[in-house]
Amino acid sequence: EVQLVESGGGLVQPGGSLRLSCAASGFTFSSYEMNWVRQAPGKGLEWVSYTSRSGGTIYDADSVKGRFTISRDNAKNSLYLQMNSLTAEDTAVYYCAREGLGATRYLDLWGRGTLVTVSS
Amino acid sequence: SYELTQPPSVSVSPGQTASITCSGDKLGDKYACWYQQKPGQSPVLVIYEDSKRPSGIPERFSGSNSGNTATLTISGTQAMDEADYYCQAWVSSTLCEFGGGTKLTVL
Repeated sequence: EVQLVESGGGLVQPGGSLRLSCAASGFTFSSYEMNWVRQAPGKGLEWVSYTSRSGGTIYDADSVKGRFTISRDNAKNSLYLQMNSLTAEDTAVYYCAREGLGATRYLDLWGRGTLVTVSS
Repeated sequence: SYELTQPPSVSVSPGQTASITCSGDKLGDKYACWYQQKPGQSPVLVIYEDSKRPSGIPERFSGSNSGNTATLTISGTQAMDEADYYCQAWVSSTLCEFGGGTKLTVL
């Protein structure tokens, strides 16, 4: 089955760190660009980070730049998000999402998400 | 910064046509896509490249994009289409933006 499964979420104190993982299965992970997207409780979707197929090119939203780092391990079919200096505003469900293989850019496969709660 | 603006809510009667708009500066020069999200579920791609439907998405879903506005149209709306809908575009090679979302109510 083609799927993405996130893990690593939980409760963390302000200023703390957390590492999210996303396990891919059912497709050739190394052939796809990947992204993290988050959704605060009751709010809309917010793009967080992007990585190229090799991991050599990454982009981040201004809201997380310098604090979050996206990475991938194609040998392990896994995507990661290292989150540092967390604040309450980072509380959200974090989704990993695959980019389609078409000529344009769109997110054609999403995981179920993992909840990150930043609170003391 | 670049913003995509959607109406917070749209209502439609069953069987009628629902239109959800997404506005942004020269959005028609970019490719727009649309996601459906039902309560407690992950987003699902329903339209990409302005007007293309992924496999498995019903034909009643269609899209267009011109000028400053992209539009998602649902013809013959069904109760199962009640959900939040988000537009999305890559506004540059390094920046992806989502609209604020529209809650579609079928009543």
